[in-house]
Amino acid sequence: AQTVTQSQPEMSVQEAETVTLSCTYDTSESDYYLFWYKQPPSRQMILVIRQEAYKQQNATENRFSVNFQKAAKSFSLKISDSQLGDAAMYFCAYRRDLGNFGNEKLTFGTGTRLTIIP
Amino acid sequence: DAGITQSPRHKVTETGTPVTLRCHQTENHRYMYWYRQDPGHGLRLIHYSYGVKDTDKGEVSDGYSVSRSKTEDFLLTLESATSSQTSVYFCAISEGRGRQDGYTFGSGTRLTVV
Repeated sequence: AQTVTQSQPEMSVQEAETVTLSCTYDTSESDYYLFWYKQPPSRQMILVIRQEAYKQQNATENRFSVNFQKAAKSFSLKISDSQLGDAAMYFCAYRRDLGNFGNEKLTFGTGTRLTIIP
Repeated sequence: DAGITQSPRHKVTETGTPVTLRCHQTENHRYMYWYRQDPGHGLRLIHYSYGVKDTDKGEVSDGYSVSRSKTEDFLLTLESATSSQTSVYFCAISEGRGRQDGYTFGSGTRLTVV
């Protein structure tokens, strides 16, 4: 079974600084997706960024970028120019790619709570 | 237009009583999921559905049952609630078209079993 590990239960960063959240995963599959979700106090799950395993180029979305190391099974999230609104729980998630043959479930890590210091 | 709604948003119930949580979607997506969120565990899959009347168990399915009689509704039932089922429950939907697929989550139901 696939597992996702987030080893940092809590992180904090000064406003406007950069922070990196770590995620490692275990899989024997070669085709899969990786995700970072943000959960603010409102409880809503918000997709931050997605990475396809077949793509060597790291995904970026504005101030959010990932460092995807397939061989090391590592998928870290970098938040640049941290803002107060970035304060949230962040979840790393994995999903196997079944192509057009169905839909695989998301497996989540345990989350990292990010605090932004004004 | 949320596309997916969960009800109720909060519920307090007594141990031993049955509880049903509802997930309703307007996206006509094939796949629907129920997850529970607990501190230190992240989100764990309870049950999922891949079509009307087609459901399967997730990793933490004991004590839960589901039903999907219509595409738009996916019900999660706790037959006899226990304190260990105090949690936040999330419903999610996905279209299931491979590489373009993404998940949409409901806003969650906080269930407290006393």
